[in-house]
Amino acid sequence: DQQVKQNSPSLSVQEGRISILNCDYTNSMFDYFLWYKKYPAEGPTFLISISSIKDKNEDGRFTVFLNKSAKHLSLHIVPSQPGDSAVYFCAASEGYGNKLVFGAGTILRVKS
Amino acid sequence: SAVISQKPSRDICQRGTSLTIQCQVDSQVTMMFWYRQQPGQSLTLIATANQGSEATYESGFVIDKFPISRPNLTFSTLTVSNMSPEDSSIYLCSVRVPSGANVLTFGAGSRLTVL
Repeated sequence: DQQVKQNSPSLSVQEGRISILNCDYTNSMFDYFLWYKKYPAEGPTFLISISSIKDKNEDGRFTVFLNKSAKHLSLHIVPSQPGDSAVYFCAASEGYGNKLVFGAGTILRVKS
Repeated sequence: SAVISQKPSRDICQRGTSLTIQCQVDSQVTMMFWYRQQPGQSLTLIATANQGSEATYESGFVIDKFPISRPNLTFSTLTVSNMSPEDSSIYLCSVRVPSGANVLTFGAGSRLTVL
């Protein structure tokens, strides 16, 4: 039973445009959400997070939006750069400090 | 944040053999986490390794198949025993960052291919 789903296996975006990566979850007890980025032959690296008390968190070009009623979150990258090409994982946890449950990832390709 | 080194980075193994993956952290940590990423799948937590006590395994993972050692606060090993092609995966070691947030730092992973 996949509690965190990233339904788009891949996304291709032109440099300078917005990239929107989506994530859905089924466990209503999840209250902390994270996005990780992974380059080939490297481990995932933390990108941005949001707790359930917020609906938006911004860090430079990266913004995460949380819609609790829809059990949906999204990562916006504006403007997209070729160096953003990577696999992006959505993750969630039930309670602070508890284990992270990951989605299967979305491959983002930013074309120059 | 912590720097994690994993060995081997990749290996090709024969069916029925076992392989031990090493994870070294550059700082002392209480808990170390072992994840598996099967091809096209999500990262799945195998177990949490605590120093001085037995590892805690997630549902679907057992100690006989994935024995874990945690001899000190900077090192852990994960053994994949009696391997089959279904064990072909990337195995990742991770630790929690000390900032207090629920964020993990990962090693680069060990890519195992079982023939």
